[in-house]
Amino acid sequence: DVKVTQSSRYLVKRTGEKVFLECVQDMDHENMFWYRQDPGLGLRLIYFSYDVKMKEKGDIPEGYSVSREKKERFSLILESASTNQTSMYLCASSFLSRISNQPQHFGDGTRLSIL
Amino acid sequence: DQQVKQNSPSLSVQEGRISILNCDYTNSMFDYFLWYKKYPAEGPTFLISISSIKDKNEDGRFTVFLNKSAKHLSLHIVPSQPGDSAVYFCAAISGDKLVFGAGTILRVKS
Repeated sequence: DVKVTQSSRYLVKRTGEKVFLECVQDMDHENMFWYRQDPGLGLRLIYFSYDVKMKEKGDIPEGYSVSREKKERFSLILESASTNQTSMYLCASSFLSRISNQPQHFGDGTRLSIL
Repeated sequence: DQQVKQNSPSLSVQEGRISILNCDYTNSMFDYFLWYKKYPAEGPTFLISISSIKDKNEDGRFTVFLNKSAKHLSLHIVPSQPGDSAVYFCAAISGDKLVFGAGTILRVKS
């Protein structure tokens, strides 16, 4: 069974802090994704990566960066946290679409509050 | 510009009856559609999918219908159960990415 693990379920940080959200998957998936979920807006893609050290901007990358040093790990970084980044953050992984049509698998999310 | 739209924020249904969740899309290049279910404090879990070359896919109590000419898909749950109460997201595949709708909260009353 696929396991996507996010390091924290809840985080509270202060405005201006640098925040790291970590995600690990155990299925040898090439693709990894970071989303944020906000009421009425659904899931919006922040960044994704299809290989180690590769990254692509999603729909809302401003204020975020990512790091993929190992295939199983994908980190989301808030360079200088702001209150409008308070949200639920979801990590997902999948095989490359040309390899498999299997769906993305999600972690349980990190509820981040910026004070 | 929302490419995938779920216009009903919520739906309430009696246990045993049919639940119908709707989704519209604007991009005719989407070739695969999925439904995800999300409980509070958990990540979304994959429910059912449909390829654009089909008009129906069924899995137990869940059936997804696709009307390409209308750019519309729907998820039918029959019979609805209280455990089906969750947020349902419609999504479309664009390359390796998913484009999600805003979600519909389904409440099944016993």
